[in-house]
Amino acid sequence: GAGVSQSPSNKVTEKGKDVELRCDPISGHTALYWYRQSLGQGLEFLIYFQGNSAPDKSGLPSDRFSAERTGGSVSTLTIQRTQQEDSAVYLCASRKRDRVMNTEAFFGQGTRLTVV
Amino acid sequence: GIQVEQSPPDLILQEGANSTLRCNFSDSVNNLQWFHQNPWGQLINLFYIPSGTKQNGRLSATTVATERYSLLYISSSQTTDSGVYFCAVVRMDSSYKLIFGSGTRLLVRP
Repeated sequence: GAGVSQSPSNKVTEKGKDVELRCDPISGHTALYWYRQSLGQGLEFLIYFQGNSAPDKSGLPSDRFSAERTGGSVSTLTIQRTQQEDSAVYLCASRKRDRVMNTEAFFGQGTRLTVV
Repeated sequence: GIQVEQSPPDLILQEGANSTLRCNFSDSVNNLQWFHQNPWGQLINLFYIPSGTKQNGRLSATTVATERYSLLYISSSQTTDSGVYFCAVVRMDSSYKLIFGSGTRLLVRP
């Protein structure tokens, strides 16, 4: 596609339920990132994919959070047993991969998750 | 890890005024980007500028990599410039993730 696409745009869920957030990167972009932004805060790194593997998942806040990527394209971030502190905007970014990562990253519009 | 500091944290301008936003980083980087987050939360790419100077309309940016800072200039500000401006870097030997500063929140008044 023309840009990074995320779905849904908004998600309201009850505490304790599982949610899945989807990211469709720019075609040909092999590097994909998930970030989280709490209200009024900066961007917190969650996980990095290169192709289908995740060499850096150091930002995942707990084992309730997991992510996968298939076919080197679409990625899904899953949050199990959601808690109110999981409420945030979840942003996805993609970039072309080169040897020294000297390429521009582009972000999707984000998914606003509200846990009630 | 690398630290990215942005200043000022908050800025209020009258429409038509000029401003300079600063981004300092604590280690060598091979990638630096400026973003504008609009009131709807969308991150808009402004500049990809690991070094040198670039201009795009009323906006320009300069990165001095050897001195570990970047500047974003906004001239003749407009109300649509309001929002949060983020600087993000990638370290040369990192896992290539973007590391963000805490942002500068800009309000341009009519």
